Amino acid sequence: NAGVTQTPKFRVLKTGQSMTLLCAQDMNHEYMYWYRQDPGMGLRLIHYSVGEGTTAKGEVPDGYNVSRLKKQNFLLGLESAAPSQTSVYFCASSYSLAGGPLDEQYFGPGTRLTVT
Amino acid sequence: GENVEQHPSTLSVQEGDSAVIKCTYSDSASNYFPWYKQELGKGPQLIIDIRSNVGEKKDQRIAVTLNKTAKHFSLHITETQPEDSAVYFCAASITPGGGADGLTFGKGTHLIIQP
Repeated sequence: NAGVTQTPKFRVLKTGQSMTLLCAQDMNHEYMYWYRQDPGMGLRLIHYSVGEGTTAKGEVPDGYNVSRLKKQNFLLGLESAAPSQTSVYFCASSYSLAGGPLDEQYFGPGTRLTVT
Repeated sequence: GENVEQHPSTLSVQEGDSAVIKCTYSDSASNYFPWYKQELGKGPQLIIDIRSNVGEKKDQRIAVTLNKTAKHFSLHITETQPEDSAVYFCAASITPGGGADGLTFGKGTHLIIQP
């Protein structure tokens, strides 16, 4: 049971380049999330998914797209990278909306992205 | 939307002393309040959470208190140890697990345990 994994761990892009960050979870979770973490800003939600084939915008969605073609995978895309997207990106997943001990959000180890 | 304020941004305590981190939230509909610990180079990990139907929860050296009237909640760590050094985040959500809108996080507290 690997939990939540993220690929790649580090990446450097030039302005205008594109890339896709991959998140995978093996816990059969319905909900998946992408956050970005910037110094002094905490974690901010970019996009999330409530199930396979569904996605929705979070607090800071501009410049990003996502897809959830398979339940276990959640992809975050940057079509034209900008220096403002330099950040650490975290993926997370949770079981469901229901109450109880299964609602914990599990985070991946993060992807450090630098856009020059 | 929800807004979560966290204080202090940095907290330095002597090993063995207690540490308290405080958060306030704005949306009275929020009913789930988790605390995450993030060690250097790792993702956040849940250490304790509390739901709106209780005022306090304890787990060994860690406790969380919630005051829904005042809309604030706090993390208490007693008998601090070097391994408690990390960044701690509070968060709030209307739905357990974050649900449709995910979690709204505070900006974090860097806890430093001095030997």
